[in-house]
Amino acid sequence: GAVVSQHPSRVICKSGTSVKIECRSLDFQATTMFWYRQFPKQSLMLMATSNEGSKATYEQGVEKDKFLINHASLTLSTLTVTSAHPEDSSFYICSARDREVQPQHFGDGTRLSIL
Amino acid sequence: GQNIDQPTEMTATEGAIVQINCTYQTSGFNGLFWYQQHAGEAPTFLSYNVLDGLEEKGRFSSFLSRSKGYSYLLLKELQMKDSASYLCAVMDSNYQLIWGAGTKLIIKP
Repeated sequence: GAVVSQHPSRVICKSGTSVKIECRSLDFQATTMFWYRQFPKQSLMLMATSNEGSKATYEQGVEKDKFLINHASLTLSTLTVTSAHPEDSSFYICSARDREVQPQHFGDGTRLSIL
Repeated sequence: GQNIDQPTEMTATEGAIVQINCTYQTSGFNGLFWYQQHAGEAPTFLSYNVLDGLEEKGRFSSFLSRSKGYSYLLLKELQMKDSASYLCAVMDSNYQLIWGAGTKLIIKP
């Protein structure tokens, strides 16, 4: 149980393109979903937390207009990187949990490369 | 401030036992999690401790002492596939996960 599916697994695109990443909880209702970014050989960095039906809470330093998060249902959250640039190239990982005191279960991540 | 400390890197031998320590200072405590992350992959959940004591799950065990702000992950009968980073994370009073930087475990034959 507790499977989180994330798509696409890899994206390579030109600078200026907008990229949408989907995160789905397959066998549970994810009241909260999280979006992380991880640069090579660095720690996980939380970007934002989203609760179903409400606006995402962004961490300090994360531009909400650049990283658009939508959590429209209990099983789906999307992250859109708008007008991506090479410095946005990173490993983006989503996670989800159904209740507060429960482990977060992670998707497989999306490796984004902006040329 | 909130802080999670764990060693940056550890090396152990195949078949041996290794203990990865984690100390924490957080505003409130709602449990401690251990995750495993292989290079280039997303983390996978290993264990959750909210009460003091040892939780055993196969070759992996996790220990918690809330009074000391301390946990460890014990890996027995090490296999080469156990080479990975091990992340300690504490859930604070706001149910937010505070992540450690991870311990890179290198297993040698």
